[in-house]
Amino acid sequence: QVQLQESGPGLVKPSETLSLTCTVSGGSVTTYYWSWIRQPPGKGLEWIGYLHNSGRTSYNAALKSRVTISPDTSKNQISLKLSSVTAADTAVYFCARHGSFNSAERFFDLWGRGTLVTVSS
Amino acid sequence: EIVLTQSPGTLSLSPGDRATLSCRASQSVNNDFLAWYQQKPGQAPRLVIFGASSRATAFPDRFSGSGSGTDFTLTVSRLEPEDFAVYYCQQYGNSQPTFGGGTKVEIK
Repeated sequence: QVQLQESGPGLVKPSETLSLTCTVSGGSVTTYYWSWIRQPPGKGLEWIGYLHNSGRTSYNAALKSRVTISPDTSKNQISLKLSSVTAADTAVYFCARHGSFNSAERFFDLWGRGTLVTVSS
Repeated sequence: EIVLTQSPGTLSLSPGDRATLSCRASQSVNNDFLAWYQQKPGQAPRLVIFGASSRATAFPDRFSGSGSGTDFTLTVSRLEPEDFAVYYCQQYGNSQPTFGGGTKVEIK
């Protein structure tokens, strides 16, 4: 049974880079598409971007200049880096598996539990 | 960007009632690529419906999705206590997936 676990610092200072890791257990990161999604406290969901093991990535246009998603196949992990963070980036960050092998079908059938990242000095 | 508007914001119902949730898109969703998720407090969202009407295996047949183009509906035929949660719609018909603001189904 595939499980996802997000990890990383819970507190990041403004203007610094947020770095998170999603560890995939029970399956291979090379098999599916994977996305990062975030949810500010008490608010709705925002798609950040996706990664395929081929190296293909796609990012939310509003975040594209600040986001990098990359794989570490040796550790079966997917990483997220978000630069120049502000308080508006405070959110629970989820990694999620795409429900289809078709790159166009970006719905999410498996989610990690999420990790809260607070941006504050 | 396709904006999804969910209504109502809150639905107050009793166990056994029928719940009808609406999701309206600012433009037509290609291929009816519309999903629904259930989220309970402190938990990650769970996929309920994809492709507008295909039900995820973890959910019973009292959950159904319908609609096409710009208007979509999630129906729960008879609410069970575990169904009270927030529900989000999501479109993936273009390269920028977006989510609606959510509908909270609460116990009346």
